[in-house]
Amino acid sequence: DAKTTQPNSMESNEEEPVHLPCNHSTISGTDYIHWYRQLPSQGPEYVIHGLTSNVNNRMASLAIAEDRKSSTLILHRATLRDAAVYYCILSSRGALTFGKGTMLLVSP
Amino acid sequence: GAGVSQSPSNKVTEKGKDVELRCDPISGHTALYWYRQSLGQGLEFLIYFQGNSAPDKSGLPSDRFSAERTGGSVSTLTIQRTQQEDSAVYLCASSSRGRGGSNEQFFGPGTRLTVL
Repeated sequence: DAKTTQPNSMESNEEEPVHLPCNHSTISGTDYIHWYRQLPSQGPEYVIHGLTSNVNNRMASLAIAEDRKSSTLILHRATLRDAAVYYCILSSRGALTFGKGTMLLVSP
Repeated sequence: GAGVSQSPSNKVTEKGKDVELRCDPISGHTALYWYRQSLGQGLEFLIYFQGNSAPDKSGLPSDRFSAERTGGSVSTLTIQRTQQEDSAVYLCASSSRGRGGSNEQFFGPGTRLTVL
């Protein structure tokens, strides 16, 4: 699976939008872009995924660049419960290859 | 319960002993995955089962590690002659589709293995 690059950490204030970037310049045509998050002492939790078009669900939005070499996970209103490590993952075969992710800190 | 369950939640063992970790996937999910997460590290893929196909064992770190999935449901990860570097949280996930890259994986709470 192709590699992704994410910032090590980001900070946000509660109730504000958060944009988590991910670069994946070597993405292939069959790679889906997945986002998972992991809260402290818990297993990873699916957030959203997409292939080419922007995606929205109850948790977040995923904005995918036209050339698919980057994407942004958007949390519209951060809450304290959104503090977690967010993983951007490319996958074309089922199993996921997790990187270091971005640790999101949310302040009240 | 509707989620993925794993047992035991915690396991402490002595170096050299064998351990078995169990995963009960979500009913009807055809794909099952094992990952592990060492302290302060990201998740590392171990093995992947999809239906009746031969498992993808490409992530197993050594021949001391093996896994079975009986009847397309419950899976057991076995670690023989445990070493201290095997200490980690072992996570199981399942999904309704395995092939291709669009599947959503549901993770269990993990088994924390400590090898003394």
